[in-house]
Amino acid sequence: DVKVTQSSRYLVKRTGEKVFLECVQDMDHENMFWYRQDPGLGLRLIYFSYDVKMKEKGDIPEGYSVSREKKERFSLILESASTNQTSMYLCASSSGTGNEKLLFGSGTQLSVL
Amino acid sequence: DQQVKQNSPSLSVQEGRISILNCDYTNSMFDYFLWYKKYPAEGPTFLISISSIKDKNEDGRFTVFLNKSAKHLSLHIVPSQPGDSAVYFCAARLFGNEKLTFGTGTRLTIIP
Repeated sequence: DVKVTQSSRYLVKRTGEKVFLECVQDMDHENMFWYRQDPGLGLRLIYFSYDVKMKEKGDIPEGYSVSREKKERFSLILESASTNQTSMYLCASSSGTGNEKLLFGSGTQLSVL
Repeated sequence: DQQVKQNSPSLSVQEGRISILNCDYTNSMFDYFLWYKKYPAEGPTFLISISSIKDKNEDGRFTVFLNKSAKHLSLHIVPSQPGDSAVYFCAARLFGNEKLTFGTGTRLTIIP
């Protein structure tokens, strides 16, 4: 059963901490994405990657960075967590062959206190 | 600036009736549109899509309509079932681009 796996379902961190959110896909997909979901704002794109070691900023990249050292793994890094980064974080992947359907992970609910 | 808008944050429909969810967009360069469904504490799952060269696509109980001149799409669910209660997001893709722009979502509640 193909899937996108996010390492944590729930995470609680302190303001100022460095936070790593991990995402792994097992479908050999070229593209990977990080979104955050907030009430009334929908899903907003943070960063995406078309290939290993490639990354591009999405609509709200401030305060975040990403790493893609291997094709199957895409990490989101909060350099210094702040309370306004409390959110549901969703990782997704797509094949990059013109198939536009993103496959999402189950999400990580991050609370920054 | 929100390029994809879902103006109804919530919608309640009786079981067995038709649910109609609406979505408006502003960028005429969007060429592909999708609907996703999301249950609490789960990731969104793909529901149905439509290319800008079509005006209708059907899959079982789900039909998506696209009106390019009005920059409007809608999702029809007939008949509505309790399991359809979820948050629905519409999404759009720019020509030649892999990333999706999502709307703000509509919470659909099906009343038994």
